[in-house]
Order: sequence, then structure tokens, then C-alpha cells
Amino acid sequence: GENVEQHPSTLSVQEGDSAVIKCTYSDSASNYFPWYKQELGKRPQLIIDIRSNVGEKKDQRIAVTLNKTAKHFSLHITETQPEDSAVYFCAASMRAGTALIFGKGTTLSVSS
Amino acid sequence: DTAVSQTPKYLVTQMGNDKSIKCEQNLGHDTMYWYKQDSKKFLKIMFSYNNKELIINETVPNRFSPKSPDKAHLNLHINSLELGDSAVYFCASSPQKGRNIQYFGAGTRLSVL
Repeated sequence: GENVEQHPSTLSVQEGDSAVIKCTYSDSASNYFPWYKQELGKRPQLIIDIRSNVGEKKDQRIAVTLNKTAKHFSLHITETQPEDSAVYFCAASMRAGTALIFGKGTTLSVSS
Repeated sequence: DTAVSQTPKYLVTQMGNDKSIKCEQNLGHDTMYWYKQDSKKFLKIMFSYNNKELIINETVPNRFSPKSPDKAHLNLHINSLELGDSAVYFCASSPQKGRNIQYFGAGTRLSVL
């Protein structure tokens, strides 16, 4: 089955710096790669996603890149703010209506 | 207006008891899920249901039994609760077509004493 590895497990940056979180997946049949943000005591919330027919996607300060050949995908957050502090999860899945396989999460701390 | 709602939000119980968690979605989705988040924050799929039928059951003990009375509801019943069952349980739903966006409920924090 699918296995998703996520690094780093913790990341501390200064406000205004960029943050990068990287994930790898094992199953070449996976074609959907979302990123979820989870604040303390809250539910995971989708922040950005990418499908396997796209190499890069951007939404304001966040972007995701996908390298299908290497089975890597990454989350980039620019101009970080203290409210970006949270746990970030990458995930992989096949078609719509299938379970997400999550990475183990990255705790991002942004200090002002 | 909550898209995916689950109850209760907190559940504190003794070892050996039986408890249930309810989940409802008003998004018209065909697929619903239960995920478990342990104390290390790892999120792992437990069950997936499509239109009331069980699709996957990921190495979950028989003490856990999901039930889907209709496609808008997926409940989780747990028998003979153990200390290791303490976790946050999230219900989620997703559409059958297009992007596999999953909408999560607020979670149920289960504490087994």
C-alpha cells in the first residue's frame, strides 16, 4: 500500500522567512496530493492541493510543487507570519472517494 | 450549517465500556471515513464507506464496528474500550468525482481511564 514520508518533523523560522516541507510517496498510482493545516485542538483543514497532471500550484503565499518521476512533493510558504504556526500534513490518494494516506506531520513555529 | 458534524466532542470513559461516536454530513457526498489521530498527532485511516458499503478496513481490531444507516451518516461503535484507544477520532467525507477533497468533522477526543 501507499506510504508517505514527511520531513522535517519540526521547523522553526523567523517571521518573514520562507518555510519548506517535503514529502515522498511510494505508490505511483497516487494522483492527488493535498496539504492540510491543523491548529491546536482543531480539525485538519485543506490549504492547497495538486493533482498529478500539474507540476506546480500557487495560492498567495503558499505553493506546492510535484515531481512525479521522483515521487516528491513539497509545500512552500513565503513571508511566514505567526498565524502560520500549526501542524502541517501532506497526504496522497488515488481517485476521488479513496482514503488519504498522511505523512506524520510537521510542526511549524513562526516567531516574531 | 456545519458540513461534517460529529458528537460527542469529548468522551471520557472507563476501560471495558462500550461507546459510540456519531457523524453526519450535509454535503451530499457518497464517501465517508473514520480517521484516528494518536497522541503523536499521526493521522491514520480506519474505515472508508461508499454509499453505505464498507470499502476499506485498515487493520482495525474487531472491537471497532462502523455502521452507516444512510450515506449521510457514519457512526463508530467501540466495544470493550482499552487504554490504547485513547485518541482523537475524526470523521470525514468526500465527493466521488473530481478532486478528492476531504472535509473533516471537529473530532471526538476519547479518553479511556
